[in-house]
Amino acid sequence: QSVLTQPPSVSAAPGQKVTISCSGGSSNIGINYVSWYQQLPRTAPKLLIYDVYKRPSGIPDRFSASKSGTSATLVITGLQTGDEAEYYCAAWDNRLIAVLFGGGTKLTVL
Amino acid sequence: EVQLLEFGGGLVQPGGSLRLSCVGSGFTFSAYSMGWVRQAPGKGLEWVSGFSLRGTSYAASVKGRFTISRDNSKNTLYLRMTKLRTEDTAVYYCAKSDGPERLNEIEYWGQGTLVTVSS
Repeated sequence: QSVLTQPPSVSAAPGQKVTISCSGGSSNIGINYVSWYQQLPRTAPKLLIYDVYKRPSGIPDRFSASKSGTSATLVITGLQTGDEAEYYCAAWDNRLIAVLFGGGTKLTVL
Repeated sequence: EVQLLEFGGGLVQPGGSLRLSCVGSGFTFSAYSMGWVRQAPGKGLEWVSGFSLRGTSYAASVKGRFTISRDNSKNTLYLRMTKLRTEDTAVYYCAKSDGPERLNEIEYWGQGTLVTVSS
């Protein structure tokens, strides 16, 4: 069971917006940077967001993220069928001295 | 172009050992944190171990059984796995961070190597 909690699945229609939450605690999200990953089927994960809200080059601004207290949120706007994937949050945990991944959220674009 | 090539996966019996290697190219290997992330069949991502400028760290599930090391002269990251269990069966990804410290910010991933622990 992951210490970072994500909803197992979310869905929305093409063109719509979806939010994916990531709930943690005071030893991880509460005091450290959060990153987000996209994993398309049968591929390695890809970095979507780092430092809570920054996008690597090549990641469209349809992807945005934020953090409040011990929770983080990924927002995807203008949904496309190609966005169907598993999404993971990650953060360093000062108490466990380890990286934690969320359990993953499967996005379905209806 | 950054490349991470993993080697060493395969079939091993419970209780056995295996060493994974990851050769990095296209970047200054010694300047970056490196690590290993695994994914069991049909499951989510699980961070295994990392090697940053601050030192090494491990997930609780592998601490005492796995050892991470790196040889910067060979641009190679290693993961020595001992006392393997069936639950260690997974694709193991080599991971390059986007800087010298933040192990959770993985800029590049290898293609993955499958480790199967089974009798």
